[in-house]
Amino acid sequence: DTEVTQTPKHLVMGMTNKKSLKCEQHMGHRAMYWYKQKAKKPPELMFVYSYEKLSINESVPSRFSPECPNSSLLNLHLHALQPEDSALYLCASSQDRVNTEAFFGQGTRLTVV
Amino acid sequence: QKEVEQNSGPLSVPEGAIASLNCTYSDRGSQSFFWYRQYSGKSPELIMSIYSNGDKEDGRFTAQLNKASQYVSLLIRDSQPSDSATYLCAVNVYGYQKVTFGTGTKLQVIP
Repeated sequence: DTEVTQTPKHLVMGMTNKKSLKCEQHMGHRAMYWYKQKAKKPPELMFVYSYEKLSINESVPSRFSPECPNSSLLNLHLHALQPEDSALYLCASSQDRVNTEAFFGQGTRLTVV
Repeated sequence: QKEVEQNSGPLSVPEGAIASLNCTYSDRGSQSFFWYRQYSGKSPELIMSIYSNGDKEDGRFTAQLNKASQYVSLLIRDSQPSDSATYLCAVNVYGYQKVTFGTGTKLQVIP
C-alpha cells in the first residue's frame, strides 16, 4: 500500500482564519514532507520531518506551522495567510532520510480570499 | 545554473510512438533519481526510481542513467493518450534529504 492521505481536498479560507491541513500514511515511513506547488511550477519543498523531528525548514514564513504528532501523521497549521499563498499543498513520505523515494498524497487545493 | 534541467515542451508524439524525456543535473554527488508523472490538477505520481548507471525497465517505461554525463532519461514505449501529462525529474544527493525537482516536461500523445 503506497497511500498517503490528505484532508481536506479543497479549502477556502479568509486571511484572518486559522485552519489546518492533515496528512496520514501507514507505510511505516519515517520521513514526511510538505511541498507547495503553484500552477505550472514544480513542487517546492517547505518542511521535512525525520523520525518526527523537524529536520529541514526551507525558510518558510511563520504563518505556516508544521507539526508531526506521531510517525504516521503530519499537520500544517495555517494562520493569517495571504492570497499569494493559494496553491496546491502536497504531503509526501519516504522510508527515511536516506531513501528519499517519496510518495505523494492527492494534495489540498488551498484558496485564500 | 539550474540544478535540474528539463525541456518544458510540449513534446508531442503520435500514439504508439516512443516518447523520450530528458533531464540533466549539476551536482555530481547526486545518487538517487526519480521520474514522476503529474496530470493537470493532480499530485505527482512516482513512476520510476533509478540509482545505478544503465537502464531500468518497468513495463512500457525505461529509465536511463548516465552519471558521467549527468543525465537521466525516461523512455515511454507505445505511447498512449493517457500518458499525456507533465513528467517531473527529481534528483537527490546522498545523505541530504532535499529532493530537487526539474520544471517538468509536458508530454502530449496525439491519437
